Amino acid sequence: DTGVSQDPRHKITKRGQNVTFRCDPISEHNRLYWYRQTLGQGPEFLTYFQNEAQLEKSRLLSDRFSAERPKGSFSTLEIQRTEQGDSAMYLCASSFPGNVYEQYFGPGTRLTVT
Amino acid sequence: QKEVEQDPGPLSVPEGAIVSLNCTYSNSAFQYFMWYRQYSRKGPELLMYTYSSGNKEDGRFTAQVDKSSKYISLFIRDSQPSDSATYLCAMISRDDKIIFGKGTRLHILP
Repeated sequence: DTGVSQDPRHKITKRGQNVTFRCDPISEHNRLYWYRQTLGQGPEFLTYFQNEAQLEKSRLLSDRFSAERPKGSFSTLEIQRTEQGDSAMYLCASSFPGNVYEQYFGPGTRLTVT
Repeated sequence: QKEVEQDPGPLSVPEGAIVSLNCTYSNSAFQYFMWYRQYSRKGPELLMYTYSSGNKEDGRFTAQVDKSSKYISLFIRDSQPSDSATYLCAMISRDDKIIFGKGTRLHILP
């Protein structure tokens, strides 16, 4: 399968715990994006990377959130001290730099904070 | 006013009917317009993207953009039960950030 993959698909955690999600983009894609989607809403942009450089972060991305893409391939998104409001689907997408309108999404990681 | 407005539905139509899905937007800087389909508990799947005003066709799907009215549409011909999903419109401006609509839930009734 050459699409975008995400792991885990579902994570249940207790409030206050830290969680980390992984995204593996399509191998030829330099750009990698993270989004958050809550029920009944469209995805909201969180941050994106071009190769290993994090180029932009949304105001939605509080200090408890951190994302990395150390070798320009896979990326991780960590949430520290989770809160119930963090419960959402976290989506990863990838694209070529010149084709940002052609983003391909992974299946998402559904986070439930109890 | 939100940058992108989309009626959440649900929209129920009989199999074989033509479906019309729409979004309006307020930011005249948007350059690219996309439609994504999202099945329950899955990631969005890119259906089509357009750049300029006018129509673009791909099989049973037609995307229409009217920049003067800030209005975009997706038409689905010969709708089938497998088209039942949430359809998200999305737009990009020069800063390369995508803004999504809330999505319209579509049900095709057999």
